[in-house]
Amino acid sequence: DAGVTQSPTHLIKTRGQQVTLRCSPKSGHDTVSWYQQALGQGPQFIFQYYEEEERQRGNFPDRFSGHQFPNYSSELNVNALLLGDSALYLCASSLTARTDTQYFGPGTRLTVL
Amino acid sequence: SQQGEEDPQALSIQEGENATMNCSYKTSINNLQWYRQNSGRGLVHLILIRSNEREKHSGRLRVTLDTSKKSSSLLITASRAADTASYFCATAPSQGGSEKLVFGKGTKLTVNP
Repeated sequence: DAGVTQSPTHLIKTRGQQVTLRCSPKSGHDTVSWYQQALGQGPQFIFQYYEEEERQRGNFPDRFSGHQFPNYSSELNVNALLLGDSALYLCASSLTARTDTQYFGPGTRLTVL
Repeated sequence: SQQGEEDPQALSIQEGENATMNCSYKTSINNLQWYRQNSGRGLVHLILIRSNEREKHSGRLRVTLDTSKKSSSLLITASRAADTASYFCATAPSQGGSEKLVFGKGTKLTVNP
């Protein structure tokens, strides 16, 4: 049973660039949530996708956008990168937009120079 | 913003000892969950306790929840070196949409062999 997978593992970008991170949910799950975890902090909720729509959004600017595909996989896009966007980006999957148990992927480490 | 606060921020114990971590939160919740994170990688779900439950056990883990004090504790008994990790509490708020988890800053546990 495949767990949550994320790609790439690491990424280095420069300020002003754009980045796309990818996530495949655990088999049987239909909901994907994205979190940002700065060094030494807990994860912060960015948004959640269910039925290819954004269901809820955290306190993040419009530079952060996402998409969910018919196979439930998801992308997180960040435009006009800032140094402060450097973080571990975590994807979590669950069943039918519930928060009972979320299964997290290994994360993508983004470094903005 | 982060809802929860874990206490202590760091904890160092010897193998075989018990480790207790505390979490406080601010708003009413549907459930509270504890996660473990090794070396800044993905989060592993440990245990979930619902707002109408007071105590829950899973293996060497014991979680308590006091909704009147808006606090929870995680007890790891007979700790092992492999328990060395950061531990986060996460709450599912009962208002403003239940799709997101709100994490604290975590407790860094070191178990010395």
